[in-house]
Amino acid sequence: DAKTTQPNSMESNEEEPVHLPCNHSTISGTDYIHWYRQLPSQGPEYVIHGLTSNVNNRMASLAIAEDRKSSTLILHRATLRDAAVYYCILRKGSRGAGSYQLTFGKGTKLSVIP
Amino acid sequence: DAGVTQSPTHLIKTRGQHVTLRCSPISGHKSVSWYQQVLGQGPQFIFQYYEKEERGRGNFPDRFSARQFPNYSSELNVNALLLGDSALYLCASSLEAGHFNEQFFGPGTRLTVL
Repeated sequence: DAKTTQPNSMESNEEEPVHLPCNHSTISGTDYIHWYRQLPSQGPEYVIHGLTSNVNNRMASLAIAEDRKSSTLILHRATLRDAAVYYCILRKGSRGAGSYQLTFGKGTKLSVIP
Repeated sequence: DAGVTQSPTHLIKTRGQHVTLRCSPISGHKSVSWYQQVLGQGPQFIFQYYEKEERGRGNFPDRFSARQFPNYSSELNVNALLLGDSALYLCASSLEAGHFNEQFFGPGTRLTVL
């Protein structure tokens, strides 16, 4: 299974943009890139996902490298509520074993400084 | 609308005992997944159920079992508890079982084994 690599921790000042990197050099052609985050004392929540093209939603943007070996989650203006652990997850885009579950790593702990 | 609910929120057991954790999915969701999160780690996949059938199983011993009921709620059972089973147990629901389906997580059940 393809693995992801993320920095253990990052810091950001409030109201500034944050770029959270993820390396996935062994990604396969059918793997989707998903991001979830886990706020303190809560279960994870979905943030965004993509395959090849950059994606935007109300929470964040996802920039995917042309070779798909890395991606970046972009929070345009960090707020205190964005302090969480962010997980970059590869999810198989085909049916069968491994396609249903989320495989979490340790993620990146984002601290937001007021 | 109510999110994913789990009960109990906290539980203390002793080694060798049995435990049952319960999960109610979001209304209309037919798939339920279970994850174990040990302190400092990302969640690890245990099971996924869809339409009362097991669709995926993670690398957990046979002491762990689960089932899904006709109303799509689910139970996770753990027999012969070990100290290492102490963790946050998360339930996630999704509309269906496929890879395109966002998973919505509950707040978890904190299990402590003494």
